[in-house]
Amino acid sequence: DGGITQSPKYLFRKEGQNVTLSCEQNLNHDAMYWYRQDPGQGLRLIYYSQIVNDFQKGDIAEGYSVSREKKESFPLTVTSAQKNPTAFYLCASSGTGRTDTQYFGPGTRLTVL
Amino acid sequence: SQQGEEDPQALSIQEGENATMNCSYKTSINNLQWYRQNSGRGLVHLILIRSNEREKHSGRLRVTLDTSKKSSSLLITASRAADTASYFCATDEYNQGGKLIFGQGTELSVKP
Repeated sequence: DGGITQSPKYLFRKEGQNVTLSCEQNLNHDAMYWYRQDPGQGLRLIYYSQIVNDFQKGDIAEGYSVSREKKESFPLTVTSAQKNPTAFYLCASSGTGRTDTQYFGPGTRLTVL
Repeated sequence: SQQGEEDPQALSIQEGENATMNCSYKTSINNLQWYRQNSGRGLVHLILIRSNEREKHSGRLRVTLDTSKKSSSLLITASRAADTASYFCATDEYNQGGKLIFGQGTELSVKP
């Protein structure tokens, strides 16, 4: 059963803590993406990776870090440097062709207590 | 940066009516895509239109693209309560490595 999974679905963090959000795909996609969505807003790109062991900053990378050690996995760490981390985080994957669409995971809702 | 600007921000209609959402963008694109998001869920791809296409259909969906005006519209015909969701346009800009830039979305409510 192919797809993209994110865990956990809900995550609570105390101020000052780092947390890592998981994203796994078995679609054999080269590209993976992390987005942040705030209430009533569109998606903003945090980081993206088009190939294993390589990734680029998106529009709002400050306070976040990623790794891409395996094709299937693209974890996102929200560090204590991110001043307003409460948001809905979406992971996506795609091929790298010009008409490839993105497949999204179900999202992780992060709340800072 | 937000490339797509969507209009209206919210739309409320009755079942059976048509719903039209518009998207404007600023730079040259390879293609424009429309996605749907149910509340609290991930996005689902609906339709992609290439920059050299003017109109595309998929079931009850009709998308148009006017590259001279840098705008697109999504028409949902004979709407159903199950169409209630947020709809986002996303543009794939030239030389940006396949990154998509999403608009802020139109929240559609279809009343039974």
